[in-house]
Amino acid sequence: EAQVTQNPRYLITVTGKKLTVTCSQNMNHEYMSWYRQDPGLGLRQIYYSMNVEVTDKGDVPEGYKVSRKEKRNFPLILESPSPNQTSLYFCASSSGPLGGQYFGPGTRLTVT
Amino acid sequence: GESVGLHLPTLSVQEGDNSIINCAYSNSASDYFIWYKQESGKGPQFIIDIRSNMDKRQGQRVTVLLNKTVKHLSLQIAATQPGDSAVYFCAEKKNGKLTFGQGTILTVHP
Repeated sequence: EAQVTQNPRYLITVTGKKLTVTCSQNMNHEYMSWYRQDPGLGLRQIYYSMNVEVTDKGDVPEGYKVSRKEKRNFPLILESPSPNQTSLYFCASSSGPLGGQYFGPGTRLTVT
Repeated sequence: GESVGLHLPTLSVQEGDNSIINCAYSNSASDYFIWYKQESGKGPQFIIDIRSNMDKRQGQRVTVLLNKTVKHLSLQIAATQPGDSAVYFCAEKKNGKLTFGQGTILTVHP
């Protein structure tokens, strides 16, 4: 089954404790992206990757890092999480930059 | 700045009616426009897309119209069903960067 998976689905952590949210797709897609969704602000792009070892900033990259060492995985790293990073995070992938994206199920992160 | 916005935050229709969800955009350089549907507790689901060199595209029960003159995008859903109730987002894409609108809540009454 074609899918995008994210782990964990729920995470509660404390300020400053480094965390990684994993994202994996099994569709051999070149393009992958991370978004956060907040009430009243909609979905905002954090980072995207057009291919392995190629990453670019989206609209809200501050406080986040990503890596794309292999095609299927695109982890989101928060080196020092802060409460304003409490949000619902989605990973997505597509066959190319003009393709409709497949979204993962979301990761709800709470930083206290 | 560049933005993608929606005219109406909520839309209520009767089952069987046609629904039209509108979206205004301001970046005339966008390559590509996409409509997504998001049900409660789930990630956005791709519905239909349209390239900037087209003005209409049809799918199963859905049609997207693009009017570049007035920078307007619409999603038409024919014979709306209760299962269509969700939040609908338009998005525009340029060089891999995707910008979403705020979303319209569609409620279908049986």
